[in-house]
Amino acid sequence: NAGVTQTPKFQVLKTGQSMTLQCAQDMNHEYMSWYRQDPGMGLRLIHYSVGAGITDQGEVPNGYNVSRSTTEDFPLRLLSAAPSQTSVYFCASSGTTSGIYEQYFGPGTRLTVT
Amino acid sequence: SQKIEQNSEALNIQEGKTATLTCNYTNYSPAYLQWYRQDPGRGPVFLLLIRENEKEKRKERLKVTFDTTLKQSLFHITASQPADSATYLCALEGSSNTGKLIFGQGTTLQVKP
Repeated sequence: NAGVTQTPKFQVLKTGQSMTLQCAQDMNHEYMSWYRQDPGMGLRLIHYSVGAGITDQGEVPNGYNVSRSTTEDFPLRLLSAAPSQTSVYFCASSGTTSGIYEQYFGPGTRLTVT
Repeated sequence: SQKIEQNSEALNIQEGKTATLTCNYTNYSPAYLQWYRQDPGRGPVFLLLIRENEKEKRKERLKVTFDTTLKQSLFHITASQPADSATYLCALEGSSNTGKLIFGQGTTLQVKP
């Protein structure tokens, strides 16, 4: 199993550009989440999904869109990039084996907006 | 508002000693609490989960306690090693049956040989 994969690893955008961060998992997990991590701020939840076709907002959803058309994929779209979105983005997935919502994280995407 | 606090100052200890990290929360009644380890440039890795009806959980050199009255979890690493140096994050269930977690900001542990 590849686990959770994210692409790209690094990205530089100009203000106003749009892009999609890709996330895929091969563990048949129902739950998927996107977090951003900034120095001293820990991981903050952007959006999450409890299954295909179902998404909801987290703590910091503004400026980001998500969709979940399949169990495996959960892309994060930046509509119009801003310097405040410079961060490291992590995708995570979890299932309900034994009722434990242990999260598996991808390697992250480091995004810089200039 | 809901809040999770971990000591933002780095914890420096000598090899062989026990490291103790603290996670405090307010305005939550979580069914469980989790601890993760994060190394520089990598995603967090799950370590332990403790449920609200459990006082203590152990895994090898790791021990977690959960006091729902004090709204606090303690994370202990016994016989610490330089390889234990990392950032440790606690996380609480954000809402029931969603897999949604809310994370603390993490505490960096440095174990010196």
